[in-house]
Amino acid sequence: GAVVSQHPSRVICKSGTSVKIECRSLDFQATTMFWYRQFPKQSLMLMATSNEGSKATYEQGVEKDKFLINHASLTLSTLTVTSAHPEDSSFYICSARDDRARGYGYTFGSGTRLTVV
Amino acid sequence: AQSVTQLDSHVSVSEGTPVLLRCNYSSSYSPSLFWYVQHPNKGLQLLLKYTSAATLVKGINGFEAEFKKSETSFHLTKPSAHMSDAAEYFCVVSPSSGAGSYQLTFGKGTKLSVIP
Repeated sequence: GAVVSQHPSRVICKSGTSVKIECRSLDFQATTMFWYRQFPKQSLMLMATSNEGSKATYEQGVEKDKFLINHASLTLSTLTVTSAHPEDSSFYICSARDDRARGYGYTFGSGTRLTVV
Repeated sequence: AQSVTQLDSHVSVSEGTPVLLRCNYSSSYSPSLFWYVQHPNKGLQLLLKYTSAATLVKGINGFEAEFKKSETSFHLTKPSAHMSDAAEYFCVVSPSSGAGSYQLTFGKGTKLSVIP
């Protein structure tokens, strides 16, 4: 089945530094990938939609300059949390949509637990 | 527009007894519906999906769900709970086709506890 690899699974960083999270579709092409944020004991909040070869589409209230998204190939999207602060600590999950599927070919990564100290 | 309401934030069952996790949806379009499971600090795993075929959908690990258009419901059931079923469950809706078909809307989740 379709597999999405997300790395790292856990990262601890100091305030003010930047962290890059990778989301890679291993056995399918994904023109569209999605980045979600999940606060403790809450549902997933869509942050942005990442489109290969073009700018990401951010949801209202999500800072584009803080959460940089790059989707440079059909199998890789990255999320960079710039100048991280403790309030950015969260669980980040990516999802990739299989180009061959019709509307429901979503596969989720295993998530990244970010802790900013 | 679309929305999902998971009627219970927490469900607790004894091992070996049936599981019922309730989900109601609202959608302006003909919807696709999904149930995902999330174990602690893990990503989401697809349990099952409804995409306008059979209304009774069978998924992995013995779970199934029935799409009831008249009740706008998509409840998740399992005849007999296992300890390994303890997790967070999310009901998700998206348009089945069209330009917005990538837009997944998540419910707030139901935490399932299984008592030995």
